Amino acid sequence: KAGVTQTPRYLIKTRGQQVTLSCSPISGHRSVSWYQQTPGQGLQFLFEYFSETQRNKGNFPGRFSGRQFSNSRSEMNVSTLELGDSALYLCASSLGAVMNTEAFFGQGTRLTVV
Amino acid sequence: GIQVEQSPPDLILQEGANSTLRCNFSDSVNNLQWFHQNPWGQLINLFYIPSGTKQNGRLSATTVATERYSLLYISSSQTTDSGVYFCAVEGTGANNLFFGTGTRLTVIP
Repeated sequence: KAGVTQTPRYLIKTRGQQVTLSCSPISGHRSVSWYQQTPGQGLQFLFEYFSETQRNKGNFPGRFSGRQFSNSRSEMNVSTLELGDSALYLCASSLGAVMNTEAFFGQGTRLTVV
Repeated sequence: GIQVEQSPPDLILQEGANSTLRCNFSDSVNNLQWFHQNPWGQLINLFYIPSGTKQNGRLSATTVATERYSLLYISSSQTTDSGVYFCAVEGTGANNLFFGTGTRLTVIP
């Protein structure tokens, strides 16, 4: 079955712009999580959605937001981009209905802010 | 959040050698996974192992939840094993993974 699909794979944006990233989870998975990976901070949790509801949020400013649609696809948005937002953004999907379920990651979107 | 420490941070091996990567975590966990990050950035699932021992080919993993650590064993390493290995845990009541800082493995021929 198809894995987790993230689009686009690469993005270059200018400071001050906004960006929307997309994640399609594995069929049947209802939980989608987003993570940011940078050389300095490593892998950090952004937020998690289950059945269109945000269940958990990491310690990121309000410029980072997300949503999940009824088909479980998720988008994350970053407004007023800063140079420090340059990172690899990874999306993970899991069954999510109960705890202790395995997470599967997409290939990521590499965002460069110039 | 839960603190996750991985050791060693860097490891260089000759092809064919064996290695052990360690992951310590600071609190009780419901979920523990090992990943290998490929050169393109994707996290590849190796093991889902909140407790016990599993084996998959040349790789095996053991988690001792009561002592808050997990070990990843790589036997007869190959150059294709090179990359960064991450341990990630999910705490009780959480819906997200906390990642360690990774072990960068380099296997030289």
